[in-house]
Amino acid sequence: EAGVTQFPSHSVIEKGQTVTLRCDPISGHDNLYWYRRVMGKEIKFLLHFVKESKQDESGMPNNRFLAERTGGTYSTLKVQPAELEDSGVYFCASSQDEASIQYFGAGTRLSVL
Amino acid sequence: QKEVEQNSGPLSVPEGAIASLNCTYSDRGSQSFFWYRQYSGKSPELIMFIYSNGDKEDGRFTAQLNKASQYVSLLIRDSQPSDSATYLCAAHTGGFKTIFGAGTRLFVKA
Repeated sequence: EAGVTQFPSHSVIEKGQTVTLRCDPISGHDNLYWYRRVMGKEIKFLLHFVKESKQDESGMPNNRFLAERTGGTYSTLKVQPAELEDSGVYFCASSQDEASIQYFGAGTRLSVL
Repeated sequence: QKEVEQNSGPLSVPEGAIASLNCTYSDRGSQSFFWYRQYSGKSPELIMFIYSNGDKEDGRFTAQLNKASQYVSLLIRDSQPSDSATYLCAAHTGGFKTIFGAGTRLFVKA
């Protein structure tokens, strides 16, 4: 069974550009989560989808970040326009239900120059 | 105060010793607790989870939870060099949001 996959593994962009990160959860997992780890800090929750609905987006830093999960399958996280402080590793995780173990993807390392 | 607090380390132990990793949390509504292991450049990998007060053992790993003290720990017996990694403590709050600590780096010396 495939795990949580994220694409790209690494993205280098210039300040002001747009980047879209993709996450494919484990098949059958309704719950999908986005997290971010910036340099030297702890992993921070961004948002939580249940199927295609945003259950909790309290961790989204600002309106430059837009997450979608059309059809309740894969999810995208778009940053537009990117700023220097957006650099970090963006992790996606999925779980079968809200109380279940979350399985993490390998992450996307975003570098904004 | 951070919601989940860990000593950043590094914690260095000799091969074969017991490594003790500690974590405290501030939200008394937290219901379940997780220990993840993360190798450099890799994704967090679940090691243990615990919901109830007391000890939970799985192979060389023992998780301990004390809700009254808001304290979670992970013991690694017979530590191996391959156990060298960053260990992340995490708590699920009532809203099932996962709050992570900053992680403790563990070095096991051969």
